[in-house]
Amino acid sequence: SYVLTQTPSVSAAPGKTARITCEGNNIGDKTVHWYQRKPGQAPVLVIYYDSDRPSGIPERFSGSNSGNTATLTINRVEAGDEADYYCQVWESSSDHRVFGGGTRLTVL
Amino acid sequence: QVQLVQSRGEVKKPGASVKVSCEASGYIFTAYGISWVRQAPGQGLQWMGWIRAHNGHTSYAQKFQDRITMTTDTSTNTAHMELRSLRSDDTAVYYCARDGGSGTSLDVWGQGTTVAVSS
Repeated sequence: SYVLTQTPSVSAAPGKTARITCEGNNIGDKTVHWYQRKPGQAPVLVIYYDSDRPSGIPERFSGSNSGNTATLTINRVEAGDEADYYCQVWESSSDHRVFGGGTRLTVL
Repeated sequence: QVQLVQSRGEVKKPGASVKVSCEASGYIFTAYGISWVRQAPGQGLQWMGWIRAHNGHTSYAQKFQDRITMTTDTSTNTAHMELRSLRSDDTAVYYCARDGGSGTSLDVWGQGTTVAVSS
């Protein structure tokens, strides 16, 4: 089955940029979705179809996907962005959804 | 507004079964499917499977294939997930999420249901 690999942790100071990567074999050929999960809360979709933002998600959140890496970028990081972030793709051959292992963003 | 409301948490003994429900509102239930995702303590999100609401077609993750059943009731706009032969490592928060199928995102999530498996 398809494997997505995420760096376990990333840190950024307030006001700086955080980049969270998601690696998979030719992931650029797939569409990637990103979810934010804060402790005690349900996951929230923050980026869909590689780079689209749902309504209510700040423009500071953006996404890209090419080659073997998809990236979630958070500009002007705020304390409230501290959370776990997960990438997810659809495996068309099996109709399965696959999550990456998650990246914990720590705001310094 | 679009909403998924899940059933309350449960405590089960090893070997028992649990059935979690997910009531949808604010959208046409049969136009979407429902995915089930769990998060065990200290672990990441784990996709368990999904069901198309309009025809009940399912696709399960291999890990759960032999002990999971997902169903929908279109008369009550409710999805159900039953997990059998529970083990201690099934202790987790279980989420339902609206799933448009064919590579779309899981755009709306339930609040989560805690299932604790303990003797």
